[in-house]
Amino acid sequence: DGGITQSPKYLFRKEGQNVTLSCEQNLNHDAMYWYRQDPGQGLRLIYYSQIVNDFQKGDIAEGYSVSREKKESFPLTVTSAQKNPTAFYLCASQLAGGRNEQFFGPGTRLTVL
Amino acid sequence: GEDVEQSLFLSVREGDSSVINCTYTDSSSTYLYWYKQEPGAGLQLLTYIFSNMDMKQDQRLTVLLNKKDKHLSLRIADTQTGDSAIYFCAEDTGRRALTFGSGTRLQVQP
Repeated sequence: DGGITQSPKYLFRKEGQNVTLSCEQNLNHDAMYWYRQDPGQGLRLIYYSQIVNDFQKGDIAEGYSVSREKKESFPLTVTSAQKNPTAFYLCASQLAGGRNEQFFGPGTRLTVL
Repeated sequence: GEDVEQSLFLSVREGDSSVINCTYTDSSSTYLYWYKQEPGAGLQLLTYIFSNMDMKQDQRLTVLLNKKDKHLSLRIADTQTGDSAIYFCAEDTGRRALTFGSGTRLQVQP
């Protein structure tokens, strides 16, 4: 089955630690995105990548880093510089050109202890 | 600018129709989308409408687009308890990513 997977579903981190969230897609999509969702709020764009080996900052990139070494994978690292990292993180992918529907993964809930 | 607005909460009774509204500010939007998010899950695309259309119907879902007022609505007929979720509208301006509204939580009471 084609789709987007995120792992783990739940993640706990101690303050001061970096943590990496996984996002993989087998839809052969060119573009991939990371969003953060806080309770009662919409989605805020962290980083996006429209092609392998290239990525751009979104609206709230501070304290986060990404890589795009393979088309299928777009991992997000939440660094210790992120002041308030507890949130629900959503990864999405999109086929370039035409109607730009985004497909979403199931999300990772990160809690900082 | 890019700013999509939605009301935060809507409560309806099972069997009634639900209407979720959205306003957007970017007149260059090409497509507008409605996504559904169930608790603890990702977003699922429900339907979309192209900017040159006024209405689109898909089973129980009806999307209305008023480009003059930059107003989008989603009507769910015969609302069921399984429709309880958060509904997001999103606009595609052809720039970097979709712009999402803050979401409307739909509560369906039996």
